[in-house]
Amino acid sequence: DVKVTQSSRYLVKRTGEKVFLECVQDMDHENMFWYRQDPGLGLRLIYFSYDVKMKEKGDIPEGYSVSREKKERFSLILESASTNQTSMYLCASSLTGVNTEAFFGQGTRLTVV
Amino acid sequence: AQKITQTQPGMFVQEKEAVTLDCTYDTSDQSYGLFWYKQPSSGEMIFLIYQGSYDEQNATEGRYSLNFQKARKSANLVISASQLGDSAMYFCAIRGGSGTSYGKLTFGQGTILTVHP
Repeated sequence: DVKVTQSSRYLVKRTGEKVFLECVQDMDHENMFWYRQDPGLGLRLIYFSYDVKMKEKGDIPEGYSVSREKKERFSLILESASTNQTSMYLCASSLTGVNTEAFFGQGTRLTVV
Repeated sequence: AQKITQTQPGMFVQEKEAVTLDCTYDTSDQSYGLFWYKQPSSGEMIFLIYQGSYDEQNATEGRYSLNFQKARKSANLVISASQLGDSAMYFCAIRGGSGTSYGKLTFGQGTILTVHP
């Protein structure tokens, strides 16, 4: 069965902390994505990766970085967490191609205090 | 750049009736894919249906169909015979097929559907 696993369901961090959100997929997918979901704004793409060590900025990359050292793992890094980064974060993966659906993790609700 | 617009923040429908959720898109790509996802209150993202830009027929999957009007750049989701379990958030998304949008998957703001008994 297809699986995308995010390391934490809930996370509380302090302002200024460095935060790592981890995502692992077991489907040998080339593409991986990080989104944040906020009420009224839908899902907004932060970064995506189309291969190991390859990344592309999404629509809202400011304040975030990513790492993809292995095909199955895609990490989202908040270098210095701020309260406006409090949100639901969703990771997804897919094969390459316009006709391939993305599979999502269960989400991480991050609160920055 | 590609963009999805969902103009209906909330929709209500009576059980067993049909409902249409609107989605318009903007892209300069010739090749692209359009997707609909459902997100129940549990938070999981469930893939519903896909339409390719070169597909001549509208996609259907059970009670879901996609009303694809390429010239108008719209990809509305039609749910027939609504059920209480259809109450959820629905997202439209586009996947780019070339240039700077290649592989990128962009979502809209979502529409909350409430099905009344």
